[in-house]
Amino acid sequence: GENVEQHPSTLSVQEGDSAVIKCTYSDSASNYFPWYKQELGKGPQLIIDIRSNVGEKKDQRIAVTLNKTAKHFSLHITETQPEDSAVYFCAASPSGNTPLVFGKGTRLSVIA
Amino acid sequence: SAVISQKPSRDICQRGTSLTIQCQVDSQVTMMFWYRQQPGQSLTLIATANQGSEATYESGFVIDKFPISRPNLTFSTLTVSNMSPEDSSIYLCSVGGGNEKLFFGSGTQLSVL
Repeated sequence: GENVEQHPSTLSVQEGDSAVIKCTYSDSASNYFPWYKQELGKGPQLIIDIRSNVGEKKDQRIAVTLNKTAKHFSLHITETQPEDSAVYFCAASPSGNTPLVFGKGTRLSVIA
Repeated sequence: SAVISQKPSRDICQRGTSLTIQCQVDSQVTMMFWYRQQPGQSLTLIATANQGSEATYESGFVIDKFPISRPNLTFSTLTVSNMSPEDSSIYLCSVGGGNEKLFFGSGTQLSVL
């Protein structure tokens, strides 16, 4: 089955700097890769996703890149703000109704 | 995306008791799932809640411990039975939004004493 590795487990950046979180997956059949943000006491919120037919996707300050050959994908947050502080999870799905497999999460702290 | 209401939001329970968590969605959805998030950990799928039939459980989770109901396309319950402190976790309801998108409720924070 699918296995998703996520790095780093914790990340601290200065406000205004960029943050990058990386994930690798094992199942070459996976073709859907979402990212979630979880704030304290809340459920995970879908913030961006990418499919295997696309190499990069951007939404304002966040972007996701995918390298299918290397089986890794990354989340990029530019101009970080204190409200970006949260735990971020990557996930992968082989498609269809197959449930998502999640990485272990990255705790991002943005220092003002 | 669908609005997912989950309750209770948190509870403190005594060991040996059971707790039923409810998940209500504001629109009909085909796929509903229950996840567990242990303290400081990632999300682990417990089961897929199938409408009108028995839930499909992942390895390591059994129906006797986590019975699930799905009476219609907008509602599901998860029961945590005969609880022990190891069951202390956040339990999350999630629904498929089409095109593999998955959305989560706000979760139930369970503490077992």
